[in-house]
Amino acid sequence: AQKITQTQPGMFVQEKEAVTLDCTYDTSDPSYGLFWYKQPSSGEMIFLIYQGSYDQQNATEGRYSLNFQKARKSANLVISASQLGDSAMYFCAMREGGGYQKVTFGTGTKLQVIP
Amino acid sequence: GAVVSQHPSRVICKSGTSVKIECRSLDFQATTMFWYRQFPKQSLMLMATSNEGSKATYEQGVEKDKFLINHASLTLSTLTVTSAHPEDSSFYICSASGHQGGSTEAFFGQGTRLTVV
Repeated sequence: AQKITQTQPGMFVQEKEAVTLDCTYDTSDPSYGLFWYKQPSSGEMIFLIYQGSYDQQNATEGRYSLNFQKARKSANLVISASQLGDSAMYFCAMREGGGYQKVTFGTGTKLQVIP
Repeated sequence: GAVVSQHPSRVICKSGTSVKIECRSLDFQATTMFWYRQFPKQSLMLMATSNEGSKATYEQGVEKDKFLINHASLTLSTLTVTSAHPEDSSFYICSASGHQGGSTEAFFGQGTRLTVV
């Protein structure tokens, strides 16, 4: 079974609008972390936001916020006020357990911001 | 955030030769380093996990004799693709984990695009 599922292979959003990228996960470990990364065409993985399984509040980092719905096992990324530079691949990822465990990635969503 | 430096960013090599890729954590001690491989338009697939001073743990289907990983210090891990073939052409990216101010975030290098001709 897939541990991380991203059902949107591609998304379009108008510049300055908000967009939500979906992510669901599957784990039986009570302790886990959820990540979102941005990968532009250059290939580097840029960390955007992190949500721990025990965090009570939804994580926010500037224009990025993570809509964490634990019971539904979803961790959607919301990008507000989209910019042209937001066009990239976005990967949702999960680390099960604490410490230095491996991170498992979803298949990614390609976001294109339209002027 | 913490900085992970990966070198080289691009390499072209002849079939049958070996290529070494370095991954350095510049401002923290990386207890664990991970090596991923990414084919075009696909996700990152974990190849192996390495802990400083011990043998790497390889994921199922990854040939440990072909992809040699050395994690000799808390700041450096290397991936050597031995006897490279065109099907090894891919994007290789490392990530490093360690405590930075209490966080156990994983930070990624810039990636290495390997082309075997």
